[in-house]
This record gives sequence, structure tokens and C-alpha cells, in this order.
Amino acid sequence: DAKTTQPTSMDCAEGRAANLPCNHSTISGNEYVYWYRQIHSQGPQYIIHGLKNNETNEMASLIITEDRKSSTLILPHATLRDTAVYYCIVRVGNSGGSNYKLTFGKGTLLTVNP
Amino acid sequence: EAQVTQNPRYLITVTGKKLTVTCSQNMNHEYMSWYRQDPGLGLRQIYYSMNVEVTDKGDVPEGYKVSRKEKRNFPLILESPSPNQTSLYFCASSSYPYSYNEQFFGPGTRLTVL
Repeated sequence: DAKTTQPTSMDCAEGRAANLPCNHSTISGNEYVYWYRQIHSQGPQYIIHGLKNNETNEMASLIITEDRKSSTLILPHATLRDTAVYYCIVRVGNSGGSNYKLTFGKGTLLTVNP
Repeated sequence: EAQVTQNPRYLITVTGKKLTVTCSQNMNHEYMSWYRQDPGLGLRQIYYSMNVEVTDKGDVPEGYKVSRKEKRNFPLILESPSPNQTSLYFCASSSYPYSYNEQFFGPGTRLTVL
């Protein structure tokens, strides 16, 4: 799996958009970008994924640059409940990979302030 | 509601006393997995299962056993727990192969071994 780089922490005001960046400059053509988050001590939660087109679902939007070397997860109207560690993962789509496991890096701690 | 459930959520036990942590999913997922999460070490995979009666070791299988007799259940067994197994445990499931990387995680089991 390609390596990802994320800022250690970010702050966001409640009600504003939270934009979380991720660099994945070694991404391969068949690798997808996945985002998960983990609210303190809860199970990780899948958010969204994409290959090269921008994606949107009820939780967030994912913007992937044209060269696919970086992406941004956007939470359009952040709430206090969005305070969590956000993980960007690059994986070959629909494939187990090594040991069929998900490997999370350190992620970005997003703190949404009132 | 689609979900992964784990029981118990919290457990304090003593060294050597056999215990089982149950995991159940209601999404008819083929793939299930157990992870442990420790401060500074991230999520580490213990065991995984690609389908009924098919299980394999993850990265840290020592001291654990699993079984997959039914598609929905994937219990984690600690035959003789030791203090170094004190951790936060997560069960996960996904549909394989079509949406393998979109894993659903349980709420976690916090285990303390004295």
C-alpha cells in the first residue's frame, strides 16, 4: 500500500467546513483513497473512498487532485461530534492486500471547537 | 440496522482465567477480523476469516484463538489471558470481495487482565 502523510492535528470552528489534507505521492494507478475516522475509543468508522473522481456522500466529500498525489476530505458543516482522528488510507480496490488488514497511520486529530 | 456487536464491552479478569469475547454481524459479510489497539501502536490485526471455517493469523496471533462456525459470528478466545493482553479490542466485517475495504467495526471491548 502507498504511504500517506497527514497533519498531526487541526482545529475547526463548529458549523464551518473542515478540510483535511492527505498526501499520497506514491499512489499507484489501481489504488483507491479511503478515509476512516475514530472517535475517542470507539470503533473506526468508514467515511468515503474514491479513485480519481470527486466523491460525495451523506457524511463528507472527497476531492482528489488530477495527478492523484493528494486528496482532501471535506466535512461541510463540522459539529462537535465530528471531533475524531481521521485516517487516510490508500488501498488496491476490492482487494485484501497483505493479510487482508487495514493499516492506519497516525491520522489527523480534528478538534471542532464551539 | 446494519451493525457489528461485541460483548462484553468491558471486562476485568485475572491471569489465566479463560475468556471469550463475542462478535456478531447482521450484514451477511464474508470477511471478519479482530484487531487490538494499544497506545502508540495503532491497530494491529490478530486473526481474520474469509468465510465460514476459513481463518488465518494476523500480525499478533499469539495467545489468541478464533473460530468461524457460522457466518455471522467470530468469537475471540483467550485460553490463558496475561497482563500483556490488556487492550482495546475491535471486531470488523466487510463484504468480500466487492467492498472489502469498507469495513464495519464494532464498538470495542476494553479488556483488563490483572
